[in-house]
This record gives sequence, C-alpha cells and structure tokens, in this order.
Amino acid sequence: EPEVTQTPSHQVTQMGQEVILRCVPISNHLYFYWYRQILGQKVEFLVSFYNNEISEKSEIFDDQFSVERPDGSNFTLKIRSTKLEDSAMYFCASSVRTGGLGYTFGSGTRLTVV
Amino acid sequence: AQRVTQPEKLLSVFKGAPVELKCNYSYSGSPELFWYVQYSRQRLQLLLRHISRESIKGFTADLNKGETSFHLKKPFAQEEDSAMYYCALANFGNEKLTFGTGTRLTIIP
Repeated sequence: EPEVTQTPSHQVTQMGQEVILRCVPISNHLYFYWYRQILGQKVEFLVSFYNNEISEKSEIFDDQFSVERPDGSNFTLKIRSTKLEDSAMYFCASSVRTGGLGYTFGSGTRLTVV
Repeated sequence: AQRVTQPEKLLSVFKGAPVELKCNYSYSGSPELFWYVQYSRQRLQLLLRHISRESIKGFTADLNKGETSFHLKKPFAQEEDSAMYYCALANFGNEKLTFGTGTRLTIIP
C-alpha cells in the first residue's frame, strides 16, 4: 500500500534556527497538507497546497512558516526561526481529491526546539 | 466555527465488553465526519467515514444530526483495539480536517 514518507522522524534544533521538514506524498495525489500536534493537544491544521500554491492556511501558519514542492515529489515545510512553542509532532498528508475522504497521513516528524 | 469535542481523554474497557467513544460536533453546514486511529508509534489511519456507513474491525459509527454526534461503537472489545482515537470533521468539498482532542482507549485483558 502506498505511503506518505516523512523525514526525519525526530529533529532537535536550537531556538532561532531554521528547520525544513520533508515529506514525499503519494505519487498520484494532488492535494498536500501539513498538520501539527503539540504534546497533549489536538491535531491542528496548518496549511493545504494544491496546484503549486497554498489553497488554505490557518492562523498558526504565520510568516515564519512556508511550504514548497521543489521538485515534483518532495513537499517541504520550513520554519524560518524556530521558537520553543514550535515543538510538536508535524504530520504531512496527501489526498487524491479534496476533502477528508482520501487523506493518507505520514508517520510524523517530532520537532524539539531547545 | 466548526468544533469537534471528545469528552473522554482516557477510557478503559475490559476485553469482551462493549466500547463507545463519544464525539460531538458543531458545524452549520453539511459536515463529513471521520474516525481516525493511531496505534502506538504508528501513523494516523482512517478508521471510518460516515458517508460509507461501513464497519471496520467491528467498529461502527452513526451520524446523529439531531444530537450532532458521531459516536464510535464496538460490541466486544479486543486487546488490539488499544490505541488513540480521533474524531474529525471536514467541510463538504473543503480540504481542512478539524480534529477532536482524542480518546486513549485501553483494553484490559
């Protein structure tokens, strides 16, 4: 069964540093997403991406965040200058159509900002 | 604003006993409701969606629009059901999923 692959599984970074979280969505999927889950809290939507542009973003997704699909296979989330409160599990997802029906989630990247 | 509420953070049930995980939602349009499951150290997996009205691993969930609920049920719990369960809502035709806070289900042997 096709999978969404996320690397690394765990990243530790110093406050103020830039991090890039990588995702390889399922190859025939058209919609891409990032979600995050702060420890003990719910999974929260960050951003959706379709046709090489952001289609929707939450209030969490401020100017510190950016997404890119640089080469047609990878889908990256960049945090420009990390803060302690960015520590969370970040999940990538992709779907072949809009809506929650066809979502496939990656296994997540645990980001720890120290 | 849409919201999903899972009132129980933790639920422990004996093996063989019935399970009910509660989910209530608030949304003004036509929602799509889902249950996701996350086994230990694994990814979020879709368990059920309300429009398909299917039973997966013995679990069922019925959308009750009058009570705005989408409770997950299983008549006889099994040990392998121990996991984190998330109820989620999507706008029909929209991309974003709104999750509840999750319920950790533990099946006691």
